[in-house]
Amino acid sequence: DAKTTQPNSMESNEEEPVHLPCNHSTISGTDYIHWYRQLPSQGPEYVIHGLTSNVNNRMASLAIAEDRKSSTLILHRATLRDAAVYYCILNSGYSTLTFGKGTMLLVSP
Amino acid sequence: EPEVTQTPSHQVTQMGQEVILRCVPISNHLYFYWYRQILGQKVEFLVSFYNNEISEKSEIFDDQFSVERPDGSNFTLKIRSTKLEDSAMYFCASIREEETQYFGPGTRLLVL
Repeated sequence: DAKTTQPNSMESNEEEPVHLPCNHSTISGTDYIHWYRQLPSQGPEYVIHGLTSNVNNRMASLAIAEDRKSSTLILHRATLRDAAVYYCILNSGYSTLTFGKGTMLLVSP
Repeated sequence: EPEVTQTPSHQVTQMGQEVILRCVPISNHLYFYWYRQILGQKVEFLVSFYNNEISEKSEIFDDQFSVERPDGSNFTLKIRSTKLEDSAMYFCASIREEETQYFGPGTRLLVL
């Protein structure tokens, strides 16, 4: 799997937007960009994924650079329940997920 | 909303004992996975399973591990002779088609 690079941690205040960056300069044409998150003591949870175009769902938005070498997960209004480790993962089809260390998001009230 | 379930939530065992971790994937899913996460470390892939056979396995998945889909609903991971280093959270995941993987809540295994 192609490698991704994320900051180790980020901080945010409650109800503020959060932009979590991810670099994936070696992404291949068939790789989807997936974001998962893992809340404390829980299993990974799907957040959003995309290929080329920006994507929105009820949880977040995904902004993908035109050259696809980077992407940004956007939480529009962070809540305390969004405090988790966020993983940016490249994946094509049914292949296994390769988790890195992710970004630990800390949300302050 | 359908979800992946896992039992037990916690298991404590003695070194050398056999353990079976159980998972019930989402009913119309076709691909099944086991991952593990040692405390404080990354989530690691163990094995994937499709059409009643292993499709991919990692270096971690050695001869002491086995997987089985004994009926139409359960997906099990067996560790034949547990070691201290097998202590970890074990996550089952499933996928229907080229989409996202859905993870279960995990089984926390402690080997003493």
